[in-house]
Parts: sequence; structure tokens; C-alpha cells
Amino acid sequence: TQLLEQSPQFLSIQEGENLTVYCNSSSVFSSLQWYRQEPGEGPVLLVTVVTGGEVKKLKRLTFQFGDARKDSSLHITAAQPGDTGLYLCAGYGGATNKLIFGTGTLLAVQP
Amino acid sequence: DTGVSQDPRHKITKRGQNVTFRCDPISEHNRLYWYRQTLGQGPEFLTYFQNEAQLEKSRLLSDRFSAERPKGSFSTLEIQRTEQGDSAMYLCASSLRGSENTEAFFGQGTRLTVV
Repeated sequence: TQLLEQSPQFLSIQEGENLTVYCNSSSVFSSLQWYRQEPGEGPVLLVTVVTGGEVKKLKRLTFQFGDARKDSSLHITAAQPGDTGLYLCAGYGGATNKLIFGTGTLLAVQP
Repeated sequence: DTGVSQDPRHKITKRGQNVTFRCDPISEHNRLYWYRQTLGQGPEFLTYFQNEAQLEKSRLLSDRFSAERPKGSFSTLEIQRTEQGDSAMYLCASSLRGSENTEAFFGQGTRLTVV
């Protein structure tokens, strides 16, 4: 069974601070996705990383895919209250290639 | 098309009752997923369909849960003899079968409370 473990589980920081969220697995994924979920809404895709070692930037968010394609990280620079939400990594795996999600990281950015 | 639609948004039921949720995916999407989510946690995979075929059902799912997608369009998730532990958000997502980079689009979910 492929599992995606995220750390930390919960993060509370002040506006302007930097943070990193990690997504780890013992299995190789051909790609990993990052989603963000706000209260009362479904997750929304932020980015997909495909190549081992790849780095993608989305404004103040930087995503990296590990060289071995077993892990990924999300770094947020100068966090803002609008970044508050549940961050989820996800990947396709298993015998039927279903989409599975990580355990989640709940981020709260205080003004 | 306005996206993935789920109905109802909220459901309160008494323990032991049956409940049914509906999901209408984006019209051209052939994959449809059901997930269960508790507060602050990642969505837990329940089952998924490609067109009308149910490709996989979670081994963690009891026989009280069943899902259908009879014509490859909308889907229903039924929970029989509900228990308090079934209280959660039930999310539906749809996607186009394609590469493993395919984006999944989610509905707003159905929040179930079993009292």
C-alpha cells in the first residue's frame, strides 16, 4: 500500500515568516501533486511536479520533487493570512492507479 | 458546466438510518472518486469509477458502504445502518483519464453527522 506522510501535521506561524511542508513516501511516484483546501471547500490543485529534482515556483510558493521521486516539499516565503488552509500532497498509485492523498498539513498564519 | 456538484451539503441522521449522497461530475470526466475526510486530515480514498465500472473499493470500507455510477455520469454513495463513526465530510472528485498528471476537481462535499 502506498502511503504519503506529511509533516508537520499542524503549523501556526506569524505573518511574514517562512515555512516548509514535507511529503514523504517509501514508494516511487511518477509525479506528485499539491492541493490546498479552505474550510467548507474541496481541495484545489496548486501544482504537479513530474521530474525528479524538479523545482516549480508559484509566486511565494516553491515546490520541489525529490531526486528519487519518493518525496516532495512545499516552501512558503513571507506567509500571509490568506495562505491559511490545509495543504495536501497527492499521487497516483496502487494496482488501479487511483489518486491517493497525504495526511495533510494544517497551516494557520496569524496577522 | 459549473464543476462538480454534491447533494446534499449537510445531512444529519440518526444512528441506524440509511443515507444516500449524490455526486454530479464535470460532464466530460470519465473518472469519479469518493473520499472521506475528518477535520484537519487528508481525504481517505473510498472508491472510484472509470465510466460506469467500479475499479477499486477500499479494503477499509465496510459492507455498509456501496457506490454506483449506473450510466457513467452521476454517482451515488449509500451508507446503510449508519454509525457515529461514519460522521465525516464525504468528498467527490472527477477527472479525465489520461496521464498521471491529471488534475482532480472536487465538489464542496457532503457533511454527515450521525447522532
